Amino acid sequence: EAGVAQSPRYKIIEKRQSVAFWCNPISGHATLYWYQQILGQGPKLLIQFQNNGVVDDSQLPKDRFSAERLKGVDSTLKIQPAKLEDSAVYLCASSSHGGGNGYTFGSGTRLTVV
Amino acid sequence: SQQGEEDPQALSIQEGENATMNCSYKTSINNLQWYRQNSGRGLVHLILIRSNEREKHSGRLRVTLDTSKKSSSLLITASRAADTASYFCATDEGDYKLSFGAGTTVTVRA
Repeated sequence: EAGVAQSPRYKIIEKRQSVAFWCNPISGHATLYWYQQILGQGPKLLIQFQNNGVVDDSQLPKDRFSAERLKGVDSTLKIQPAKLEDSAVYLCASSSHGGGNGYTFGSGTRLTVV
Repeated sequence: SQQGEEDPQALSIQEGENATMNCSYKTSINNLQWYRQNSGRGLVHLILIRSNEREKHSGRLRVTLDTSKKSSSLLITASRAADTASYFCATDEGDYKLSFGAGTTVTVRA
């Protein structure tokens, strides 16, 4: 079984620029999550999709962050404009059966905003 | 907000020794999960324990759950250098979302 694919692996941008991350979940996994992990902290949920619908985006800074999951498969997370405090690793995860068997995480995208 | 809190924040042990880390949480849960994260990598699911279970084993891993104390522990027996990583507990309150703690960093010395 292929894992969760994420790209790019690393990204460095200047503040106020925009950036987009891509995630391809495990085939057949209906639930997809984006997490933000700041250095030294645990992952924090940004948004949860069930198929192509948003289940929870209460912690997504909607003035600058947006996410979509077209056709219930791939997902993109965008930041526009980026701030210094957005420097973090952005992790995508997917699960089947509502996560009752655990999540599968991608390797993440490390974003550095300078 | 983070639900779980791991203790200790960091742990250094000799190869072959056991490593124990604890997790405390605040609200009722459906299940609790433990993940490992190697430096610069994504998280790997280790074990899931449901709220009606008290103990679970997987290879060299042993997890306990005490819902009355809202706490869990992860024991790694006979540690190896490859066990060097950060370990996170994560709670599912029944809404299919995981809330992670800040993690315990484990260093296994050869």
